[in-house]
Amino acid sequence: AQSVTQPDIHITVSEGASLELRCNYSYGATPYLFWYVQSPGQGLQLLLKYFSGDTLVQGIKGFEAEFKRSQSSFNLRKPSVHWSDAAEYFCAVGPFSGGGADGLTFGKGTHLIIQP
Amino acid sequence: GAVVSQHPSWVICKSGTSVKIECRSLDFQATTMFWYRQFPKQSLMLMATSNEGSKATYEQGVEKDKFLINHASLTLSTLTVTSAHPEDSSFYICSADRYNEQFFGPGTRLTVL
Repeated sequence: AQSVTQPDIHITVSEGASLELRCNYSYGATPYLFWYVQSPGQGLQLLLKYFSGDTLVQGIKGFEAEFKRSQSSFNLRKPSVHWSDAAEYFCAVGPFSGGGADGLTFGKGTHLIIQP
Repeated sequence: GAVVSQHPSWVICKSGTSVKIECRSLDFQATTMFWYRQFPKQSLMLMATSNEGSKATYEQGVEKDKFLINHASLTLSTLTVTSAHPEDSSFYICSADRYNEQFFGPGTRLTVL
């Protein structure tokens, strides 16, 4: 069975500092990997996704993530955070289903706090 | 584009009553929608996959008679929590699939008294 681990429940970062959120996954086949952000009262917004190809993926809002198969990791990074980045971040994995659609398995989330 | 809405955004009901939550894809058609449940400070847990025109597929441990799902059109899926009890209180989130990407609704907060 697939699983996603986000080892950090909370992370506090100063505004302007760099950020890395960790994500490790367990999956038996080729995974789809995703990072979502959830703000209060908002739906989950997709930041970026990885299916195949270049292991460094660029997303929206200046985020990027690197897929490392040997470490089963898909860590999210941002070189300089803004106060508006404060939110809950979820890593998720899904099966590579080609033309189909399948539900996602989510990590427990990391709550990002931005210090002024 | 690719907006998903949920209604209501929050609901409070008495124990034993049933509650219906709607999930709509506003600007695209979705053959497949998903229902998730999120407990406070917890992850989203997939409850079921809703397929237009056919029966929903429930995840292990989810009571299909408790959580009734109807996907009657390509833009609407409904989740009915039947005979709700306090332990059903949670945040319910739907998503709609478009080209293998899921677009999420804002969620519905259910509180059962």
